[in-house]
Amino acid sequence: QKEVEQNSGPLSVPEGAIASLNCTYSDRGSQSFFWYRQYSGKSPELIMFIYSNGDKEDGRFTAQLNKASQYVSLLIRDSQPSDSATYLCATRLNRDDKIIFGKGTRLHILP
Amino acid sequence: DGGITQSPKYLFRKEGQNVTLSCEQNLNHDAMYWYRQDPGQGLRLIYYSQIVNDFQKGDIAEGYSVSREKKESFPLTVTSAQKNPTAFYLCASLSLGQPQHFGDGTRLSIL
Repeated sequence: QKEVEQNSGPLSVPEGAIASLNCTYSDRGSQSFFWYRQYSGKSPELIMFIYSNGDKEDGRFTAQLNKASQYVSLLIRDSQPSDSATYLCATRLNRDDKIIFGKGTRLHILP
Repeated sequence: DGGITQSPKYLFRKEGQNVTLSCEQNLNHDAMYWYRQDPGQGLRLIYYSQIVNDFQKGDIAEGYSVSREKKESFPLTVTSAQKNPTAFYLCASLSLGQPQHFGDGTRLSIL
């Protein structure tokens, strides 16, 4: 069974601090990695995607990928109350386009 | 505007009834997906389709059926065999090498 693991949280972070969200995956055939944000009762929206080892930055968000350790993370700088949501990590196996999601981490930004 | 349209937004099912959830996309995406999300849980893959007239079972296909007669459409039928259908159903699509995008979801409940 191919798995994506995330700490369910909640992760509480003071406003203005850096929030660090982590994800591990079991299948070394995973080639693409995605972070989605989901507000309660809403559908997921794409925040970041990363394909290569290293860091990828987009505004306040940075995705980090380490394929050797099978680890992907999301950093949110200058956290805002509007960042409070559940963050879903997903991986994609190129061989069959199957996309597997973790159960998500609930993030709570403390005003 | 391009996007993924799911309908209805809310749906109620009686005992022994089959219901069909609609998913239409005008993004010219090749692959389409159906996920189920239970409260406080991640997304579980029901079915996915990479091309017209072909689809594959996901992790929880029992009690569900799909068709892919047109590239734009991927309806999901929740059959009476699905004994616990109450959930949030999400449709997604993607084009090769690109991230997945989601519709707004359908919330299904039992009467």
